[in-house]
Amino acid sequence: KQEVTQIPAALSVPEGENLVLNCSFTDSAIYNLQWFRQDPGKGLTSLLLIQSSQREQTSGRLNASLDKSSGRSTLYIAASQPGDSATYLCAVRGAGSYQLTFGKGTKLSVIP
Amino acid sequence: ETGVTQTPRHLVMGMTNKKSLKCEQHLGHNAMYWYKQSAKKPLELMFVYNFKEQTENNSVPSRFSPECPNSSHLFLHLHTLQPEDSALYLCASSQAGTGGNEQFFGPGTRLTVL
Repeated sequence: KQEVTQIPAALSVPEGENLVLNCSFTDSAIYNLQWFRQDPGKGLTSLLLIQSSQREQTSGRLNASLDKSSGRSTLYIAASQPGDSATYLCAVRGAGSYQLTFGKGTKLSVIP
Repeated sequence: ETGVTQTPRHLVMGMTNKKSLKCEQHLGHNAMYWYKQSAKKPLELMFVYNFKEQTENNSVPSRFSPECPNSSHLFLHLHTLQPEDSALYLCASSQAGTGGNEQFFGPGTRLTVL
């Protein structure tokens, strides 16, 4: 059974810092990995999707990497802003399934 | 309307009530999903519909009954729920069969069972 772990559970940084969020998964037989952002009480916003054959994806100040063999992904946020404050969720899709298995998320607070 | 919409956004119901959650996607996708998000727990997949056919049911109690009349609409019918069913229920959609299958989520329905 796939398990996804996100470290740290919470992170507080001053505005302008670069930061890295970590995600690990136990079963490397994945189809893709997706990073989401969730604001309090709201739905999820898709940030980046990395296919199993890819090593990284970039969108603006966000860069996500994937090391499938070691079961790890990182989300790099450059020049953080207070508007980046949210919970960031990592989810993996298993090969041959539509199911996404989620981590519990990292709650990010960017202090002005 | 754009993206994935859900109604109602908030719902309070007693344990003997019957209610339904509605989801509509405006993205031309062919797969739809129900997820449950409880406090302190990861998001859990409940049901998957692909081309209106249910393809996955993650051991969800029968008091939750999904319905997918077409590829744009998804319902979750609720009856005789328990207080522990209080959670945020999220709907998502994706284009199954393509390489990405990126899932897009609605804003959720916050359900409280008294």
